[in-house]
Amino acid sequence: QLVLTQSPSASASLGASVKLTCTLSSGHSSYAIAWHQQQPEKGPRYLMKLNSDGSHSKGDGIPDRFSGSSSGAERYLTISSLQSEDEADYYCQTWGTGTVVFGGGTKLTVL
Amino acid sequence: EVQLVESGGGLVQPGGSLRLSCAASGFTFSSYEMNWVRQAPGKGLEWVSYISSSGSTIYYADSVKGRFTISRDNAKNSLYLQMNSLRAEDTAVYYCASRAWGDYWGQGTLVTVSS
Repeated sequence: QLVLTQSPSASASLGASVKLTCTLSSGHSSYAIAWHQQQPEKGPRYLMKLNSDGSHSKGDGIPDRFSGSSSGAERYLTISSLQSEDEADYYCQTWGTGTVVFGGGTKLTVL
Repeated sequence: EVQLVESGGGLVQPGGSLRLSCAASGFTFSSYEMNWVRQAPGKGLEWVSYISSSGSTIYYADSVKGRFTISRDNAKNSLYLQMNSLRAEDTAVYYCASRAWGDYWGQGTLVTVSS
């Protein structure tokens, strides 16, 4: 079964970097994922599509501070030079035949 | 500029029906597969339904199968979600999103199922 696992919460200081993790279920380590950001009281915003080899394509206007990487079944979103507006929920998403799956989301707090 | 604008949400009684629309502009809608995704109050994102660019391939989440129907009109650049036999647990903001990986999202429309 295709499942994405995310830690419920993360925190980092203003100006620092943070690395969020999304883990694909067993047998699905070759799948691409997408990262989305959802700021409070707003709709989701596409950040990037991240392939298993770490290559990624970002959405319109997404700053260079946001980057993605991959290792095995893990997909990462790194945000550098954290700003207050980066405080948001971050969701990973993947897709297969007949289904689209979201992770439970990670709530990022900027201290 | 790409825009997806949902409409049609509102308050409906349990067992009732509602039809959501998503108007697309700024891209070649007929070439894009589309999804409906929902978010219950205080909860995460939940995929609802997928439709291919031509409309020939359709998938549903188990939670809505048999009750919801996705469709599209490429001539009108529009996506639809017909929701029947609505339940309290269908209460959510409903978003349309383009492609399998959601590269564009609408602002959402709120559906509240309550007596």
